[in-house]
Amino acid sequence: SYELTQPPSVSVSPGQTGSITCSGDKLGDQYVSWYQQKPGQSPVVVIYQDSKRPSGVPERFSGSNSGNTATLTISGTQAMDEADYYCQAWDSRTVVFGGGTKLTVL
Amino acid sequence: QVQLQESGPGLVKSSQTLSLTCTVSGGSISSSDYYWSWIRQFPGKGLEWIGYISYTDGMYYSPSLKSRVTMSVDSSKNRFSLNLSPVTAADTAVYYCAGALTGTALNYYYHYIDVWGKGTTVTVSS
Repeated sequence: SYELTQPPSVSVSPGQTGSITCSGDKLGDQYVSWYQQKPGQSPVVVIYQDSKRPSGVPERFSGSNSGNTATLTISGTQAMDEADYYCQAWDSRTVVFGGGTKLTVL
Repeated sequence: QVQLQESGPGLVKSSQTLSLTCTVSGGSISSSDYYWSWIRQFPGKGLEWIGYISYTDGMYYSPSLKSRVTMSVDSSKNRFSLNLSPVTAADTAVYYCAGALTGTALNYYYHYIDVWGKGTTVTVSS
């Protein structure tokens, strides 16, 4: 079965740029989505189709995908961005999630 | 906009059947736009896709859960359901219903979860 690998945790200082990676075999041949989940809340999509932002998602969120790695980048990170982030792909009509990354803003 | 609400028992005994329902509001479940999905989240954090049902593409279940999962749609009540049987303590999780959007762009398929329910906690007891 297809697997997506994320680092368990990433730390970033306020105002700096933070990046979260998601790795999978030939991931660049698939579209990747990213979800943000804050404690006690349902996940929310922040990036879909590798780099598109849904309406209402701040411009500081961006995404890229090439080769075996997709990356979620948060520019000018704010305290409110502290959350768990999950990548997701669709492989052979099955949905695959990465294990999640806890982004800490400190 | 479409909103989803899960309902069902919060406690299920081991070896029995977990049954959850998701009521769709703000849109029709017969819409071909959405893939109606179930996803769960274990206490440790990870998300696991259970499966989806689509009017255009049929039903697909996670290979690891396929032998225990059944999904169905009740168009008259604008809701869809999940049955998981038999359950064990390992099925204890928060269960989300969700609506996914699927399409093609530049010859690649995309599929992402556009709307989530609030989630319902299910505990499997022995």
